[in-house]
Amino acid sequence: AQSVSQHNHHVILSEAASLELGCNYSYGGTVNLFWYVQYPGQHLQLLLKYFSGDPLVKGIKGFEAEFIKSKFSFNLRKPSVQWSDTAEYFCAVGPTDKLIFGTGTRLQVFP
Amino acid sequence: GAGVSQSPSNKVTEKGKDVELRCDPISGHTALYWYRQSLGQGLEFLIYFQGNSAPDKSGLPSDRFSAERTGGSVSTLTIQRTQQEDSAVYLCASSSLVGSYPTQYFGPGTRLLVL
Repeated sequence: AQSVSQHNHHVILSEAASLELGCNYSYGGTVNLFWYVQYPGQHLQLLLKYFSGDPLVKGIKGFEAEFIKSKFSFNLRKPSVQWSDTAEYFCAVGPTDKLIFGTGTRLQVFP
Repeated sequence: GAGVSQSPSNKVTEKGKDVELRCDPISGHTALYWYRQSLGQGLEFLIYFQGNSAPDKSGLPSDRFSAERTGGSVSTLTIQRTQQEDSAVYLCASSSLVGSYPTQYFGPGTRLLVL
């Protein structure tokens, strides 16, 4: 069955630290990959997406993600986090129109 | 323009009662999705409407759940005879057909608590 795994459930960082959130999926065909973010009290927003082409995708607010097909991974990265990055991050896979989401990673950034 | 809106934002109900949750998609978006976010879990797909096609109901957890989309716009998710395990945040999303793969835009959700 298709699934998405986010192994980091809760990440705590200090400002300026580097961030990498893991995302692995299980699906053998062509996939479309997404990272969504949910800031406290706000609704889900698209952070970045990959459909095809360059496997390194840049999104908003300095985030980027790299699609590694051989590893079935789409990890999210940011070189230097800010307090305002405190949020919950969801990886999603869309082999079809229905998105399959991971369980989310809660990121807390302390000043 | 306005984003996806959902109402009510919060709903508390007693076990066994029926509830209706409403979603207003972004104007012009032909696709509409319902998801459920339970505590400590990811988002779970429930149902998908695309234009005039028959909806994809494959994610509905039981026959107590149903959804309609009237006039290709507003959608209502109905849960009959609610159970405590139905407590969750119900999210609606919409997308257009523009582009190679439509991006889903989410509403703020309806937080449902079944006592």
